[in-house]
Amino acid sequence: AQKVTQAQTEISVVEKEDVTLDCVYETRDTTYYLFWYKQPPSGELVFLIRRNSFDEQNEISGRYSWNFQKSTSSFNFTITASQVVDSAVYFCALSDPSAGKSTFGDGTTLTVKP
Amino acid sequence: NAGVTQTPKFQVLKTGQSMTLQCAQDMNHEYMSWYRQDPGMGLRLIHYSVGAGITDQGEVPNGYNVSRSTTEDFPLRLLSAAPSQTSVYFCASRPNYANTGELFFGEGSRLTVL
Repeated sequence: AQKVTQAQTEISVVEKEDVTLDCVYETRDTTYYLFWYKQPPSGELVFLIRRNSFDEQNEISGRYSWNFQKSTSSFNFTITASQVVDSAVYFCALSDPSAGKSTFGDGTTLTVKP
Repeated sequence: NAGVTQTPKFQVLKTGQSMTLQCAQDMNHEYMSWYRQDPGMGLRLIHYSVGAGITDQGEVPNGYNVSRSTTEDFPLRLLSAAPSQTSVYFCASRPNYANTGELFFGEGSRLTVL
């Protein structure tokens, strides 16, 4: 069975601080995909990034970066120089092509204070 | 583009009443799914469909029915609402059933069962 653990329920930082959101996953599949989604206070769910299990390259997109490590089954998300607009719930998700399902973590609520 | 459209956005029911949450997408996506979001529990899969005429159960299917008569529509039916079904419901779709792409979410439907 697949499982995604986001151990940090809530994180609070002051604007301009760097913050890392942790995601640990469990799967028996060799081929799988990992995702991060953002849910701002308005409630919609916004896709941020996808990574497949064969691509361990880290990725940077502006102030966002992702560190995928198969050895530790982790897919962590770092926001550099956080801003108030980054305040949201962030979800990590895991899916595999054979099961046809996506498994979400419980989410991490990030609050960035001015 | 409209994307994924859910109706209604808000609904209050009494215990035992029935209702249907509507979901429509205009992106010709094969895969559609319903999730419920409860505080601290992330997103849990209720039912999903990999194409017209094909549906399957997710993690928490009890109390819900679905059908997929067209590619565009995937309604979720509550036959006899219970207070435990108070939640925010999200419909999501993606371009193929192979589970490799990100999900496109509707704006959510907030349901309260009294």
